[in-house]
Amino acid sequence: EVQLVESGGGLVQPGRSLRLSCAASGFTFDDYAMHWVRQAPGKGLEWVSGISWNSGSIGYADSVKGRFTISRDNAKNSLYLQMNSLRAEDTALYYCAKDRVAVAGAYYFDYWGQGTLVTVSS
Amino acid sequence: EIVLTQSPGTLSLSPGERATLSCRASQSVSSSYLAWYQQKPGQAPRLLIYGASSRATGIPDRFSGSGSGTDFTLTISRLEPEDFAVYYCQQYGSSPPAFGQGTKVEIK
Repeated sequence: EVQLVESGGGLVQPGRSLRLSCAASGFTFDDYAMHWVRQAPGKGLEWVSGISWNSGSIGYADSVKGRFTISRDNAKNSLYLQMNSLRAEDTALYYCAKDRVAVAGAYYFDYWGQGTLVTVSS
Repeated sequence: EIVLTQSPGTLSLSPGERATLSCRASQSVSSSYLAWYQQKPGQAPRLLIYGASSRATGIPDRFSGSGSGTDFTLTISRLEPEDFAVYYCQQYGSSPPAFGQGTKVEIK
């Protein structure tokens, strides 16, 4: 059974940093691209960032480019999101999501975690 | 950057009725790389449809997707009680991947 478990969310002041983690199990982690998708309270879904199976290809939404860094550790079956210079508009539930297509990746998502809430407020 | 617009915003229907949800793209979606997700309150999204018309694993056949280019449709042939939820379309044919704003299907 595929499981994705996010952690690391919390309340943080504007301008500060936070690091999210996602622990994956139930599939061959290093075969798949992985992504972060966020959802502001009461709002829709926004893709944040994605990373290929071997970290060779990385993408970011314009809204987080230069502030957020995605990474992965295939030996630990883990995905990370380093979030710097946080803003109030970054407040959201952050989901870890698995790409449906192995190796090449396709940037759509067949398994999601339950999310970790990030609140940016003074 | 492709913008997806979903309509209607809310659809009020009764169990057993047919639901038709629309997703329109601001420019053509490459190779019909269009997915649909269902999200219930307090839950993560669930993949329903990919490639505009292919059902994901375990998705009942009352869910179907169609369309190409800029106009896509999700149809639920007969609404079951568990189908009342918010539905999102997502394009993945060009970067960045983008979601529509969602359509809420509520019980009439």
